[in-house]
Amino acid sequence: KAGVTQTPRYLIKTRGQQVTLSCSPISGHRSVSWYQQTPGQGLQFLFEYFSETQRNKGNFPGRFSGRQFSNSRSEMNVSTLELGDSALYLCASSSAGTGDREAFFGQGTRLTVV
Amino acid sequence: AQSVTQPDIHITVSEGASLELRCNYSYGATPYLFWYVQSPGQGLQLLLKYFSGDTLVQGIKGFEAEFKRSQSSFNLRKPSVHWSDAAEYFCAVKAAGNKLTFGGGTRVLVKP
Repeated sequence: KAGVTQTPRYLIKTRGQQVTLSCSPISGHRSVSWYQQTPGQGLQFLFEYFSETQRNKGNFPGRFSGRQFSNSRSEMNVSTLELGDSALYLCASSSAGTGDREAFFGQGTRLTVV
Repeated sequence: AQSVTQPDIHITVSEGASLELRCNYSYGATPYLFWYVQSPGQGLQLLLKYFSGDTLVQGIKGFEAEFKRSQSSFNLRKPSVHWSDAAEYFCAVKAAGNKLTFGGGTRVLVKP
């Protein structure tokens, strides 16, 4: 069974640009969550999508957005990039909505904003 | 709101020695608890999880963890570490939906 796939693995963008990251969850998983990891703030929850609906959202500005498609693949978008958005962005998939289900993580997308 | 504390930022251990990583959580309901490991530049790999039942849980790579409700702790242990165990370890609690709240992580260095 294939794991969680995130593309691209690395990105370099300029301040003010926008970026789209992609995540393909494990086959059959309907929940996709996104996390930002930085040395200063650690791992922070961005948002979760379940069956194409955003179900939970972390404390990030509106420049961070996401969506989920009918095949459960998810994208997150960051507009008007700032230097502080440089981070490892991790996607996690789970098989069900809640309860005793573990999350499986992808390898992440390393975003560098210059 | 839930929170997770990993008191030790760094731990250095000799190869073959035992390892214990501490994790304390704050959560109002019955917690779902996890330990993940991350190698440099990589994603998170699940080591083990606690949902209910037996408070001593076994995971992959020879790791185990014990849930102690009275102490709000979920400490990770390994009897004998290998050089390949050098990595960063994260404790996490699951709250609403599938949102995970992570501790700050503990970086483990293994001396030969």
